[in-house]
Amino acid sequence: EAQVTQNPRYLITVTGKKLTVTCSQNMNHEYMSWYRQDPGLGLRQIYYSMNVEVTDKGDVPEGYKVSRKEKRNFPLILESPSPNQTSLYFCASSPRQNNSPLHFGNGTRLTVT
Amino acid sequence: GQSLEQPSEVTAVEGAIVQINCTYQTSGFYGLSWYQQHDGGAPTFLSYNALDGLEETGRFSSFLSRSDSYGYLLLQELQMKDSASYFCAVRATNAGKSTFGDGTTLTVKP
Repeated sequence: EAQVTQNPRYLITVTGKKLTVTCSQNMNHEYMSWYRQDPGLGLRQIYYSMNVEVTDKGDVPEGYKVSRKEKRNFPLILESPSPNQTSLYFCASSPRQNNSPLHFGNGTRLTVT
Repeated sequence: GQSLEQPSEVTAVEGAIVQINCTYQTSGFYGLSWYQQHDGGAPTFLSYNALDGLEETGRFSSFLSRSDSYGYLLLQELQMKDSASYFCAVRATNAGKSTFGDGTTLTVKP
């Protein structure tokens, strides 16, 4: 089944404890992206990648890192999480950089205390 | 930069037609997309307009006018299951950056 898989679905952590949210797609998509969603603010792009070893900042990259060593994986790294990073996170992929439809993962609900 | 504006809430009754508008300010984009999201679940793709005009997909239609910087999603024969949030989105042509509107919460009442 074609899908984008994020893990974990739920995560509660403490300020400053490094964490990684994994994202994997099995559709051979070139484009992958991370978003955070907060109440009333819609989806805001954190980072995106147009292909292996090519990543760039979205609108809210501060406090986050990503890597794209393989085409299928695009992990989101929070080196030192803070409470303002408490949010719902989505990973998405699409075949190409153009406006081909985004396929979203099921989300990761992160709470930083 | 890019910004998209949508109404925050819309309410309609079952069987009716509802239109969700999206106005944007952007300096170059591939087209306007629409996504549906139920209660914090994964957003799912609904429709896309690369060119001006109307695109129809079953009960859903979407419209784009680049000259007016405006688009809309039209939902016909509303069903209770259509209660969800709807987002318009664009992807910049000079980079992979994508921007979403803040979403419109549609409530369908019996």
